[in-house]
Amino acid sequence: GQSLEQPSEVTAVEGAIVQINCTYQTSGFYGLSWYQQHDGGAPTFLSYNGLDGLEETGRFSSFLSRSDSYGYLLLQELQMKDSASYFCAVRGDQTGANNLFFGTGTRLTVIP
Amino acid sequence: EAQVTQNPRYLITVTGKKLTVTCSQNMNHEYMSWYRQDPGLGLRQIYYSMNVEVTDKGDVPEGYKVSRKEKRNFPLILESPSPNQTSLYFCASSADRGASGSTDTQYFGPGTRLTVL
Repeated sequence: GQSLEQPSEVTAVEGAIVQINCTYQTSGFYGLSWYQQHDGGAPTFLSYNGLDGLEETGRFSSFLSRSDSYGYLLLQELQMKDSASYFCAVRGDQTGANNLFFGTGTRLTVIP
Repeated sequence: EAQVTQNPRYLITVTGKKLTVTCSQNMNHEYMSWYRQDPGLGLRQIYYSMNVEVTDKGDVPEGYKVSRKEKRNFPLILESPSPNQTSLYFCASSADRGASGSTDTQYFGPGTRLTVL
């Protein structure tokens, strides 16, 4: 089966840097994505890693190591509006690339 | 405006009364999915469709049906809802599914909060 692990909660100070880790076990792997979800809202896409290495999009960066089945989301210059839940998602299982599996989410609280 | 729409946004129903949640996207996306979100469990894929008339089961398909007769629409059908299907449901669409060189971006609808009594 598929399993993804990420911390349930993280608290960080405004202006700081925070890293949210995600480890996964899958029978097939085609990429790791990250989504942000504010309370009462829909998930929104942040980043995708199909290959090893770092992807940077503004204040957000995502990293993937396929050999370690590990990735992380790095948020820099934290702002109060970054308080939200963050989900990692892995595409792929034994049947191919059609299924997308989400972690249970990390709730980030940014404090002044 | 590019978007995914869902209706209704909120629904309270009783056990066994058939219901349909509609989903529509205006981005000409081929790939559409349905997810349910429950506290502590994250998002779980119910069904997905790779194109018109092509649908397949996701991680938790039991008790649900879908159809894809038009590219833009992907309704979720609960033939006989039960209380354990009380959840927050999201429809999503994407232009691809993580093929080489793609970004696998899922666009989510606003969600439908379903309560089955």
